[in-house]
Amino acid sequence: GAVVSQHPSWVICKSGTSVKIECRSLDFQATTMFWYRQFPKQSLMLMATSNEGSKATYEQGVEKDKFLINHASLTLSTLTVTSAHPEDSSFYICSAHLSSYEQYFGPGTRLTVT
Amino acid sequence: AQTVTQSQPEMSVQEAETVTLSCTYDTSESDYYLFWYKQPPSRQMILVIRQEAYKQQNATENRFSVNFQKAAKSFSLKISDSQLGDAAMYFCAYRSFGGGADGLTFGKGTHLIIQP
Repeated sequence: GAVVSQHPSWVICKSGTSVKIECRSLDFQATTMFWYRQFPKQSLMLMATSNEGSKATYEQGVEKDKFLINHASLTLSTLTVTSAHPEDSSFYICSAHLSSYEQYFGPGTRLTVT
Repeated sequence: AQTVTQSQPEMSVQEAETVTLSCTYDTSESDYYLFWYKQPPSRQMILVIRQEAYKQQNATENRFSVNFQKAAKSFSLKISDSQLGDAAMYFCAYRSFGGGADGLTFGKGTHLIIQP
């Protein structure tokens, strides 16, 4: 089956620093990947759509300058949280689009900002 | 914009019994996809079942089946012969049918507890 990986699985950073999260499709090519955010005991909220070779599309209310997305190849999208603050602490999940009704999720990355 | 509502924050069922999780949605689109995802404590999202809105027949996957009522915009999940491994958060999700790739809109989730 299609596999999506995320790295790191857990990261702790200090307030004001930046952190990069990688999302890779391991056995298929994905022109489109998605980034979601999940607060504790809450649902997943779509943050942005990452398109290979073009700019990401951000959902309303998501700061594009804080959450930088780069989709440099057909198997890799990265999310960089810039100047992270404690309120950015969350669980970030990516998914890769394979077909009209198939999206495969990565295992998620827990970000803790101290 | 589409919305997905799950009105049951938590459900509990005895092992081997049947449980139904509710989901309603709001959309002005005529074609779309609906999904149920399971999120165990590992937090890995696992696809349970999906339904294309243009299909009248309800989807089934082994012990999992849906009751899709398009006119009522209802999409419930029935789990038969509940097993301990079914304990998890369950999310109902909506995706537009459009030509491009769209992300999913999720409901708030239902925490399913299986009593041994």
